Amino acid sequence: DAGVTQSPTHLIKTRGQQVTLRCSPKSGHDTVSWYQQALGQGPQFIFQYYEEEERQRGNFPDRFSGHQFPNYSSELNVNALLLGDSALYLCASSRPFQHTREHNEQFFGPGTRLTVL
Amino acid sequence: AQKITQTQPGMFVQEKEAVTLDCTYDTSDPSYGLFWYKQPSSGEMIFLIYQGSYDQQNATEGRYSLNFQKARKSANLVISASQLGDSAMYFCAMREGLNTGNQFYFGTGTSLTVIP
Repeated sequence: DAGVTQSPTHLIKTRGQQVTLRCSPKSGHDTVSWYQQALGQGPQFIFQYYEEEERQRGNFPDRFSGHQFPNYSSELNVNALLLGDSALYLCASSRPFQHTREHNEQFFGPGTRLTVL
Repeated sequence: AQKITQTQPGMFVQEKEAVTLDCTYDTSDPSYGLFWYKQPSSGEMIFLIYQGSYDQQNATEGRYSLNFQKARKSANLVISASQLGDSAMYFCAMREGLNTGNQFYFGTGTSLTVIP
């Protein structure tokens, strides 16, 4: 049973460029959340996708956008990259709208480390 | 106000000893879940333990236990019999509400170093 996968593992971009990060959720999961983790900080919620729609959004500018595909995989796009966008980007998947103990967990992928020069 | 506060940037523990990592939370929602994750240097967040706001007993998972004090809004992680492989960053997180799709709020983390 494959867990959450993310690609690429590492990425180096320059200011002003655009980047696309990809995530495949754990089998059986249909909700994908994206987080940004700056060095030395905890993850910050960017947004969440369910049924191919953005359901929740954190305090991130419109330069951050996403998409979810019919197979539940997701992309995170960042336009007009800034130096401050350098971070580890984590994808997490979960099953929504069920409140039982075994369904409470979010499973995280290994992350994509983005460096903006 | 911060949803999750972790006041210990770094902690040291002797191998085989127990250690407590502190976490306080802030929410007005009567239904919430509290989580602890371990993040090794590789970056992946590893789920350790979960405590629901309505759970009567403190959660335990092997060497991990959660000291849940609802009135104080604290959810400290206790690691017993520390091992060298426990050296990592530890994050406390909270999800508000019963909807398991709700976002997680994370603390700033505690770096744990286990000394041989």
